[in-house]
Amino acid sequence: DAGITQSPRHKVTETGTPVTLRCHQTENHRYMYWYRQDPGHGLRLIHYSYGVKDTDKGEVSDGYSVSRSKTEDFLLTLESATSSQTSVYFCAISEYSTDTQYFGPGTRLTVL
Amino acid sequence: EDQVTQSPEALRLQEGESSSLNCSYTVSGLRGLFWYRQDPGKGPEFLFTLYSAGEEKEKERLKATLTKKESFLHITAPKPEDSATYLCAVQVSSNTDKLIFGTGTRLQVFP
Repeated sequence: DAGITQSPRHKVTETGTPVTLRCHQTENHRYMYWYRQDPGHGLRLIHYSYGVKDTDKGEVSDGYSVSRSKTEDFLLTLESATSSQTSVYFCAISEYSTDTQYFGPGTRLTVL
Repeated sequence: EDQVTQSPEALRLQEGESSSLNCSYTVSGLRGLFWYRQDPGKGPEFLFTLYSAGEEKEKERLKATLTKKESFLHITAPKPEDSATYLCAVQVSSNTDKLIFGTGTRLQVFP
């Protein structure tokens, strides 16, 4: 998985609870991305980062926030989880925006 | 609107039975087209990048080709271990910060 870990790998939580997912990389790549994957949809970009403290929104960013205080860590936070955020979340990294993106193992999140 | 469509949604093959997966795209300007393989419960694994029409890339039993409207992933004499979901994604020249993914083709190869 190109030196990418995600934690936790599985989580079950209740509606209205805050949740934070962590992506950690050992490749020192500049770009980091958060995607969600749902049946019937392709992978969809939530947020991405192009450097420490530099982030931008993707196509499905509502209800999510991100932070990147160190090159190696990119956090995704659901401030108040909803059942529609039940999904599998993938982190990806790339050296430059035009480079290949390499994906982590994913986090399966269930919101009851 | 930039769009990627993969077909078929699912494909069942006998071991050794060659076939092709299709990825058609409608984008304002193609920077690159990516193929990934995804096994159940795992993250997508990079296979190929194609940049211009006429380009081809090969890896073992897989060969990817690109035209101005679509890409094909040809699988020659597949084996059961080739069973996976194959994802196609495009990167648009006007916004290289994101990939646009298709919904994938789920391939099952039976012995």
